[in-house]
Amino acid sequence: EAQVTQNPRYLITVTGKKLTVTCSQNMNHEYMSWYRQDPGLGLRQIYYSMNVEVTDKGDVPEGYKVSRKEKRNFPLILESPSPNQTSLYFCASSLKPTGQPFTQYFGPGTRLTVL
Amino acid sequence: QKEVEQDPGPLSVPEGAIVSLNCTYSNSAFQYFMWYRQYSRKGPELLMYTYSSGNKEDGRFTAQVDKSSKYISLFIRDSQPSDSATYLCAMTLYNNNDMRFGAGTRLTVKP
Repeated sequence: EAQVTQNPRYLITVTGKKLTVTCSQNMNHEYMSWYRQDPGLGLRQIYYSMNVEVTDKGDVPEGYKVSRKEKRNFPLILESPSPNQTSLYFCASSLKPTGQPFTQYFGPGTRLTVL
Repeated sequence: QKEVEQDPGPLSVPEGAIVSLNCTYSNSAFQYFMWYRQYSRKGPELLMYTYSSGNKEDGRFTAQVDKSSKYISLFIRDSQPSDSATYLCAMTLYNNNDMRFGAGTRLTVKP
């Protein structure tokens, strides 16, 4: 089954404790991205990756890091989480970058709470 | 002013009603317009996309884009309880990786 998986699905942590949210896709997609979803603000892009070792900032990259060492994986790293990073996070992948006819597949989401 | 504005609702309609969901935007350079459906505790899934102005129909769903007014719509005919979800509009420039989403409209279709 074609899918994007994220782990963990739920996470409660404390300020400053480094964490990683994993994302993996089994569709051989080149393009992957991370979004955060907040009430009233919709989905905002954090980082995206066009291919292995190629990443770039989205709208709200501050406080986040990413890496793309393998095509299928695109982890999101919060080195020193703060309460304003409490949000619902989605990983997505697509065969072509956005801006062309495409289908972007989203993972199930990770709900992060930073105390 | 947000680049994409979408009324968050909530919107509640009886089963069988015609639903109209709308977004306005400020960037006239947007070329691709999409509607995503997001069920509770799930990720968004692409429902429809259109390129530039015009209409596109897929079963009970019709997407309209009016670039002159910077206004897009999604119509749902014969709405069903299974249509209850949050609907997100999204748009992007041509050949660009940067997608802009509306805040989403929460729809409930009551049996």
